[in-house]
Amino acid sequence: SQTIHQWPATLVQPVGSPLSLECTVEGTSNPNLYWYRQAAGRGLQLLFYSVGIGQISSEVPQNLSASRPQDRQFILSSKKLLLSDSGFYLCAWNRVNQPQHFGDGTRLSIL
Amino acid sequence: QKEVEQNSGPLSVPEGAIASLNCTYSDRGSQSFFWYRQYSGKSPELIMFIYSNGDKEDGRFTAQLNKASQYVSLLIRDSQPSDSATYLCAVGPSGGSYIPTFGRGTSLIVHP
Repeated sequence: SQTIHQWPATLVQPVGSPLSLECTVEGTSNPNLYWYRQAAGRGLQLLFYSVGIGQISSEVPQNLSASRPQDRQFILSSKKLLLSDSGFYLCAWNRVNQPQHFGDGTRLSIL
Repeated sequence: QKEVEQNSGPLSVPEGAIASLNCTYSDRGSQSFFWYRQYSGKSPELIMFIYSNGDKEDGRFTAQLNKASQYVSLLIRDSQPSDSATYLCAVGPSGGSYIPTFGRGTSLIVHP
């Protein structure tokens, strides 16, 4: 069966510091991968998605970036965090026309 | 712009009652529909999905599609306090896209 791992679970970072969140999928190959952000009490905001190694599409212009160095690895990064980057970050995977499956999420707080 | 609309709630039902959650969608070509449950502070968990060829029942949960009116519903029978959560509706894309569109979710409260 397929599983998705996301870490860390919680993170507290100062404004201006860098960020790296990692997500890996096991038990499948060539998944579609996604990064979402969910602000408190709000819906899911799609940040990035990828259909293959090195292929990244951005939905929202901001100071975040994503990379997919391996087939089942998806990384969310920032060089300098802003206060507005606080939120609940979710990684997800799926195949075309199949439901998405989410990782446990990372709760990011910026001080 | 593809849209999925849900009443934010909260929808409050007594324990043992049927909870009915609905969402409407704008993309008439959508073929797949998903329901997620999200407990406070947790990630969304897939509970049901259906395709345009019919409704589906799984235990206490039933997902129904009305293509003509472009809405999908989730019925929860014999509601339990543990069903209290936010329910997200997601609609699969049509055409060349593969990214589902999520609603903002409906908060369900099941009181004893």
